[in-house]
Amino acid sequence: DGGITQSPKYLFRKEGQNVTLSCEQNLNHDAMYWYRQDPGQGLRLIYYSQIVNDFQKGDIAEGYSVSREKKESFPLTVTSAQKNPTAFYLCASSPRVGARYQETQYFGPGTRLLVL
Amino acid sequence: AQKITQTQPGMFVQEKEAVTLDCTYDTSDQSYGLFWYKQPSSGEMIFLIYQGSYDEQNATEGRYSLNFQKARKSANLVISASQLGDSAMYFCAMRTNFGNEKLTFGTGTRLTIIP
Repeated sequence: DGGITQSPKYLFRKEGQNVTLSCEQNLNHDAMYWYRQDPGQGLRLIYYSQIVNDFQKGDIAEGYSVSREKKESFPLTVTSAQKNPTAFYLCASSPRVGARYQETQYFGPGTRLLVL
Repeated sequence: AQKITQTQPGMFVQEKEAVTLDCTYDTSDQSYGLFWYKQPSSGEMIFLIYQGSYDEQNATEGRYSLNFQKARKSANLVISASQLGDSAMYFCAMRTNFGNEKLTFGTGTRLTIIP
């Protein structure tokens, strides 16, 4: 089945530790995105990538880093510089870039990050 | 800058009744798209319906319809004949049509269907 997978489902981070969240899609989508969701809030964009080896900062990129070495993969690293990382992280993808603005984004199941 | 406002933090609706979830938006762009997503307790965001700013007719997808009033900048979601499985968070989102792939989300409405 085509879709977006995220792992792990739950992730625990110790103080000063970097952790990496995985996001893989087999939909052959060009664009991929990372969002953060805090309790009672909507989603906020962290980073997005429209093409391999290129990515753009979203609204809340500080303390995060990404890479896009393969079309199907867009891992997110939460660095020690992110002082409040506890949140629900959602990865998404969309088919093409800029071709049709009505094309929706498809979401993965999410990773819940907790700080010990 | 774009902004989405959802003023109903929570709603309780009797099963089989229709429900309207409110969404107002603010943008200076003329071309934009409006989306509604459902987020069940599992956390995944599920796309429900889309409305383009130049679409002349309101969008419909099965039991979902979008009441689009462009002059009022509102894009309310209507769910007909609600079911217990409709209990979830519902988010309104917007994207402009300038090659910016960013979706701007509202804070959501928690819908609870009562048997």
